[in-house]
Amino acid sequence: SQQGEEDPQALSIQEGENATMNCSYKTSINNLQWYRQNSGRGLVHLILIRSNEREKHSGRLRVTLDTSKKSSSLLITASRAADTASYFCATAPGGGSYKLIFGSGTRLLVRP
Amino acid sequence: DVKVTQSSRYLVKRTGEKVFLECVQDMDHENMFWYRQDPGLGLRLIYFSYDVKMKEKGDIPEGYSVSREKKERFSLILESASTNQTSMYLCASSPSDRGQHAFFGQGTRLTVV
Repeated sequence: SQQGEEDPQALSIQEGENATMNCSYKTSINNLQWYRQNSGRGLVHLILIRSNEREKHSGRLRVTLDTSKKSSSLLITASRAADTASYFCATAPGGGSYKLIFGSGTRLLVRP
Repeated sequence: DVKVTQSSRYLVKRTGEKVFLECVQDMDHENMFWYRQDPGLGLRLIYFSYDVKMKEKGDIPEGYSVSREKKERFSLILESASTNQTSMYLCASSPSDRGQHAFFGQGTRLTVV
């Protein structure tokens, strides 16, 4: 079963605007990761946030994690047309498992 | 430059054929994964392996098997391909340190006719 569920499924914004994507999950986690996928390609890692962290930044990316609500958000600031892609959250469950469980993704379109 | 390499970008196979999808990583990672990706369903875990000859079922293992005889290579086997196995297949690897992220291959788009 899917661990992470992204919201919204699709997002269309103008270049320069901010894009926010949300992820909810069901069980305890060791960490939560965000990935990007350009059309028809493999996934590329963007940022990892550990269960004891609440916020993390990397360039134009900001990730928050609320373990009490089992949710995370990815904010892309000052979006560019090149940010057009699908974005996925993935959870590494707590306990001894090495699984990495993905959600269904958010398709982001940034209009020039 | 670290790499996860899948043997084919595109494959077309006939129903009933035995299909092998190969994945090789050059990062000495302990963990390797096979996912399939279908529109609207995201990535679903088929199998993963945390060591040579060790494997665990993911969420959708039916119709698939895996082999990991060497640390760098993880093979996905479709014993008797069916049309509902037409999909994008993605391989990934990660180190045993559970605080590290995964690296993905470029994907194999398999069509079963």
